[in-house]
Amino acid sequence: DQQVKQNSPSLSVQEGRISILNCDYTNSMFDYFLWYKKYPAEGPTFLISISSIKDKNEDGRFTVFLNKSAKHLSLHIVPSQPGDSAVYFCAASEAGANSKLTFGKGITLSVRP
Amino acid sequence: DTGVSQDPRHKITKRGQNVTFRCDPISEHNRLYWYRQTLGQGPEFLTYFQNEAQLEKSRLLSDRFSAERPKGSFSTLEIQRTEQGDSAMYLCASGVSYEQYFGPGTRLTVT
Repeated sequence: DQQVKQNSPSLSVQEGRISILNCDYTNSMFDYFLWYKKYPAEGPTFLISISSIKDKNEDGRFTVFLNKSAKHLSLHIVPSQPGDSAVYFCAASEAGANSKLTFGKGITLSVRP
Repeated sequence: DTGVSQDPRHKITKRGQNVTFRCDPISEHNRLYWYRQTLGQGPEFLTYFQNEAQLEKSRLLSDRFSAERPKGSFSTLEIQRTEQGDSAMYLCASGVSYEQYFGPGTRLTVT
């Protein structure tokens, strides 16, 4: 059973526009959420995270929003750049569980020049 | 480069052979994790070390798999009697809190 779901396998946006990547989770014990970016043949790169006590965290062009009641989070990238083209993984960690991460299947983002 | 490193980057082996992978974490990180990623899936947790102690193992980690982290520094993951289903990317990550930083991975192909 997938506890972290990224239901859209791919997203294509125009350079300069906003990219919105969505993630849903089912485990109410998750209390920390992270986004990773992955290029082919490389390991995931940490992008941004958010604690369950917050509803928004911003870092440069990247903003993560958390809606606990809906068990939903999203990553906004604005403005999108061609170098942002990659696979994006949503991950979650459960309180008191050694911070091990549960990942979604990923979303492939393509930013068109 | 002070990131997480893994060796080898690629390994091709025949079914039934044993393989060992190495991970060197970021030096000040006391937490070390192993994950496995197959095509079209996100990484899946295998095992966790805090310093030299192995504190958690996933059900995915069959008895053919063993991991060590002597002296709380580098870690090794050994797979005995490899099977074709072991073909995957093996990822190592380290951290001090919630954020984990991943190495480039070891791509294992079992023929």
